[in-house]
Amino acid sequence: SAVISQKPSRDICQRGTSLTIQCQVDSQVTMMFWYRQQPGQSLTLIATANQGSEATYESGFVIDKFPISRPNLTFSTLTVSNMSPEDSSIYLCSVATGSTNEKLFFGSGTQLSVL
Amino acid sequence: QKEVEQDPGPLSVPEGAIVSLNCTYSNSAFQYFMWYRQYSRKGPELLMYTYSSGNKEDGRFTAQVDKSSKYISLFIRDSQPSDSATYLCAMSGASGGSYIPTFGRGTSLIVHP
Repeated sequence: SAVISQKPSRDICQRGTSLTIQCQVDSQVTMMFWYRQQPGQSLTLIATANQGSEATYESGFVIDKFPISRPNLTFSTLTVSNMSPEDSSIYLCSVATGSTNEKLFFGSGTQLSVL
Repeated sequence: QKEVEQDPGPLSVPEGAIVSLNCTYSNSAFQYFMWYRQYSRKGPELLMYTYSSGNKEDGRFTAQVDKSSKYISLFIRDSQPSDSATYLCAMSGASGGSYIPTFGRGTSLIVHP
């Protein structure tokens, strides 16, 4: 298993600003995932972050809007840039154990509201 | 058609009832099938996972996978108010060597005393 500490737990931000979300894991992991969860919707994968390489973004998500850092095997950040109300959502970091990612462990999420 | 379909509910049942939660999917390459439970203002936590078809039991929870029908279920026996949460199904299979899970939208379950 893995214990994930994510912060901030919630924030209210102004349009046009940026917010950086931090994710700390209690063990070394190769792959970390960033998800977005909008009300009534399924978890949508934003990007996969591997240590030592650039993040891989899913369709509809771009690095300029959601830059990700992965400086070591236990830490990652996601920045939501130039925010608009449409970015209001819950953002979750996750790590996988096992070679086939069948066990995902999640942080408690960051509830973001953009005014 | 979405890859994974899940009725969002809410599903409201009395304490002690047997709960059935279901998902259908369209991608025949899926091999791993997972159920996550998510309490309000918390991240999802893994309840059970199953590889390929069949049943798996863990306490009051039973997961079933029918690959021929592309249908998975989670049964909760003797449901408790503490089971009230959103239940998300997820599934994955080899896609270019990656097993990134695809999630359903979740079913909200309310167990009332």
